[in-house]
Amino acid sequence: DTAVSQTPKYLVTQMGNDKSIKCEQNLGHDTMYWYKQDSKKFLKIMFSYNNKELIINETVPNRFSPKSPDKAHLNLHINSLELGDSAVYFCASSPHRAGSYNEQFFGPGTRLTVL
Amino acid sequence: GNSVTQMEGPVTLSEEAFLTINCTYTATGYPSLFWYVQYPGEGLQLLLKATKADDKGSNKGFEATYRKETTSFHLEKGSVQVSDSAVYFCALINTGTASKLTFGTGTRLQVTL
Repeated sequence: DTAVSQTPKYLVTQMGNDKSIKCEQNLGHDTMYWYKQDSKKFLKIMFSYNNKELIINETVPNRFSPKSPDKAHLNLHINSLELGDSAVYFCASSPHRAGSYNEQFFGPGTRLTVL
Repeated sequence: GNSVTQMEGPVTLSEEAFLTINCTYTATGYPSLFWYVQYPGEGLQLLLKATKADDKGSNKGFEATYRKETTSFHLEKGSVQVSDSAVYFCALINTGTASKLTFGTGTRLQVTL
């Protein structure tokens, strides 16, 4: 029944490691997003894909690489993890209807801690 | 560019008190405005929205009116409950920004008995 799911829920790792976070949505949406929420709860968009095509790419270090194998999945791979990458990462999805706002549905978040 | 400014928290209220969380925005054109809520340990949920000036969004006793003249979208509730304790985010989407939500910094609300 889960609409937008993320795995893992918690991720603790050492600096310098490479890790991935997975996101899946079963809502039939065309567009998926990754947001980062820092320790002060500030939320900022990182990436967005529409039908497997990258449409938003904010100023994010190129150690972060999103991958969308199909429109129901958007994974986030992070190379050479740094302390500053510690945050909660939220996946979201929305339908794509041109000319109107499309509500975004958020996953439960993945709390990444880099030691 | 687009930006959203929210009042600093935390906001601490007794149950049944009146709530106002201020939100102002900067954007060109005619953005759509939203309030999202994040309960402890959970993701964000859309609480309410307004897509044009003078629209009032409402849900679960919460209301916010899109005021273009003051570029504001303040969240109000007449009588808060302990279960309303959460972080509230004001956000906007501007036309032509490919559905990119711009969030405020969030306001933590704590309601006590």
